[in-house]
Amino acid sequence: GAVVSQHPSWVICKSGTSVKIECRSLDFQATTMFWYRQFPKQSLMLMATSNEGSKATYEQGVEKDKFLINHASLTLSTLTVTSAHPEDSSFYICSARARFASYNEQFFGPGTRLTVL
Amino acid sequence: TQLLEQSPQFLSIQEGENLTVYCNSSSVFSSLQWYRQEPGEGPVLLVTVVTGGEVKKLKRLTFQFGDARKDSSLHITAAQPGDTGLYLCAVGGSQGNLIFGKGTKLSVKP
Repeated sequence: GAVVSQHPSWVICKSGTSVKIECRSLDFQATTMFWYRQFPKQSLMLMATSNEGSKATYEQGVEKDKFLINHASLTLSTLTVTSAHPEDSSFYICSARARFASYNEQFFGPGTRLTVL
Repeated sequence: TQLLEQSPQFLSIQEGENLTVYCNSSSVFSSLQWYRQEPGEGPVLLVTVVTGGEVKKLKRLTFQFGDARKDSSLHITAAQPGDTGLYLCAVGGSQGNLIFGKGTKLSVKP
């Protein structure tokens, strides 16, 4: 149980285009979903916190108009990278916190590798 | 300043050797988690420690939480190539998110 999926697993796009990444909790309801970004040889950095039915909370330095987050249901959150540029190329990982979770435990998706040409 | 300092950053060992990686902080935490991440995948939770001095074992992996709940260690006995990966420690943030250390990249060669 407690599986989180992400789609797509990788995407290559041209500079200036928008890319949507989906994050789904497959067998549980997620009270909160988180979006992280990981650059090569670095750790995960939180981009935003997403609660179902409310606006996402963005970390300092993350542009909310560039990284649009929609949390339509208790099992789905989407991250849209608008007008992507090469510096947005990174590994984007979502995680979901379940109602039954304790001690900040979260379940991570497999990540989406974004390459912007 | 990094909240969680992990060491070493890189570790390359032969199959069968033992190793310990550390996660240190000057802050006190109510709980701490260890994750393993393989290339191109998301982190997978290994363990959560919550009590000062606690020791948890997961097959050949032994996790310890410091008495003062400021640090933790992960010891692997008789490492195998399948143990290769990035080991991350993490603690809870104000948003319910996780704050990660920079990780220890472990390579176990056959």
